[in-house]
Amino acid sequence: AIQLTQSPSSLSASVGDRVTITCRASQGISSALAWYQQKPGKAPKFLIYDASSLESGVPSRFSGSGSGTDFTLTISSLQPEDFATYYCQQFNSYPLTFGGGTKVEIK
Amino acid sequence: QVQLQESGPGLVKPSETLSLTCTVSGGSISSHYWSWIRQPPGKGLEWIGCIYDSGSTKYNPSPKSRVTILEDTSKNQFSLKLSSVTAADTAMYYCAKDFGHQLLYGTFDIWGQGTMVTVSS
Repeated sequence: AIQLTQSPSSLSASVGDRVTITCRASQGISSALAWYQQKPGKAPKFLIYDASSLESGVPSRFSGSGSGTDFTLTISSLQPEDFATYYCQQFNSYPLTFGGGTKVEIK
Repeated sequence: QVQLQESGPGLVKPSETLSLTCTVSGGSISSHYWSWIRQPPGKGLEWIGCIYDSGSTKYNPSPKSRVTILEDTSKNQFSLKLSSVTAADTAMYYCAKDFGHQLLYGTFDIWGQGTMVTVSS
């Protein structure tokens, strides 16, 4: 199975900060990567697919980039509602796998 | 807009079979593809398996031999059965819709709210 390693596992940031989260795949996955946001007690929310395509309704401050093995999720200006845990997920091959998550906390 | 709702027992005894149902509203189960995903308390997400193309399935090798996913088109539902459960199967279980249209994509654009299952005697 393809392993996804996210870094950092947690970070503290302030409202308005630019935040970048990294996801590294154990082997090349082309652009078959998605990102999700999960708030406590809630189901994950679909943010980005194909590494950089924004799901409908997701604010444009979210963006994704990368291909092959290295990917990033960037929040250009952190908003109060963005404090959550973020997961990457690969869909290049089965079994589908998720990264371990990055918790974004208030500084 | 498709909505999903999980249902099933919140407590299962060790060695027994966990059975959950996901009810689909706002759309036909035959028009999309469906997955089960779980999340142990305080931990990350694990894909369990999916059902697509009128009954074809893919499973995660991890619990594969214990997993069965079925669909019931008459009730617009799909189900998960996980046999011989242990405490390690304690988790929030989510059903989710595949993002793909007429093609299995492998990402999940709509999720149920989740149902917590505890394995304990």
